[in-house]
This record gives sequence, C-alpha cells and structure tokens, in this order.
Amino acid sequence: EPEVTQTPSHQVTQMGQEVILRCVPISNHLYFYWYRQILGQKVEFLVSFYNNEISEKSEIFDDQFSVERPDGSNFTLKIRSTKLEDSAMYFCASSVQGLGNEQFFGPGTRLTVL
Amino acid sequence: RKEVEQDPGPFNVPEGATVAFNCTYSNSASQSFFWYRQDCRKEPKLLMSVYSSGNEDGRFTAQLNRASQYISLLIRDSKLSDSATYLCAAGNSGNTPLVFGKGTRLSVIA
Repeated sequence: EPEVTQTPSHQVTQMGQEVILRCVPISNHLYFYWYRQILGQKVEFLVSFYNNEISEKSEIFDDQFSVERPDGSNFTLKIRSTKLEDSAMYFCASSVQGLGNEQFFGPGTRLTVL
Repeated sequence: RKEVEQDPGPFNVPEGATVAFNCTYSNSASQSFFWYRQDCRKEPKLLMSVYSSGNEDGRFTAQLNRASQYISLLIRDSKLSDSATYLCAAGNSGNTPLVFGKGTRLSVIA
C-alpha cells in the first residue's frame, strides 16, 4: 500500500539554525500539506500546496517558514531560523484531488530545538 | 474561529465493551469529517470518513448530525489493540486543511 514517507525521523538543531524537513507524498496525490503537533497538543495545520504553489496557510506559517517541491517527488518544509517553540512533530500529508479530502499522513519528523 | 472539540478522556474500558466518542465542530460550513487514530508519538492514521448517512466498518460506526454539529464514533467489542487516541477532524469541501480536535484517549484493559 503506498504511503507518505518523511525524513529525517528526528532532527536536533540549535536555536537560530535552518532546518529542512523532507516528505515524499503518495505518488498519484496532487495536494500536499504540512501539519505540526506540539507534545500533548492538537494537530495544527501549517500550509497546503497544490500545482506548485501555496493554496492556504495558517497564522503559524510566518516568514520563517517556506515550502518547496524541488522535483517531481519531494516536498520540503524549511524553517529559516528555528526557535525553541518550533520544537514539535511535523507531519506531511497528501490527498488525491477531489475525493472527499481524505488526507494520509507520513510518520512525522520530530524536531527538537535546543 | 474554527474549532473542533472532543472529550479528552481517558476512557478506560474492559475488553469487549462498547464505547462511544463524540466530537463537536463550530464551523457550519464544514463538509468533510473524519476519525483518525493516533498511537503514542505516531502519525494520525485515517480510521474512517464520516458520511451524512453514517457509515460502518466492522466494529466501528460513525455518525454525523449536521443540525447539532457533532459527529460520533462507536466501537463495539473493544480489543486491547484499540487502545489509542482518537482524533476527530473537519474540513470544508475539496482539498482543504483539516481542523483537528485534541483527541480522546481510549485504554482497553484486559
């Protein structure tokens, strides 16, 4: 069964450093999402991406964040200058166009900012 | 503000019990509804979509009440392996962001 994959599984970084989180969505999916989950909190939407551009973003997704689809398979989330409060699980998700919005999540990247 | 609210639990039930979770959503424009299962420190896994007519998948039944803006999940004949956190999610039509509840924790005990 096809699945979303994410790398790395765990990233530790110093405050102020840049990180890039990588995702490979399910191959026939056209919509891609990033969500985050701070420990003990709810899953929160960051950004959605379709047709090589951002379709929606939340207030969390400020100028420190950016997304890119550098090639036909990868979908990346970059945090330019990490803050302590960026420590969270970051989940990538993807969905097929138009079919009831069922989103399938990757295993996540645990980001720890020291 | 678009919110999805769930009873956080925990629900501690014996094996074989029937357990029901409810979830309310505030955005009346929501069109798509889902239950996800999340194990500790893992990703949300789609359990089932929730349709207007209700739907059933084995021991799991989901219902939608648009008038009262809530959805429910019923688990029959609980198994130890059902122990997890159950997340309710709502979205608009099409490929739009999902708004998640904080989840309801279920522990099934032998």
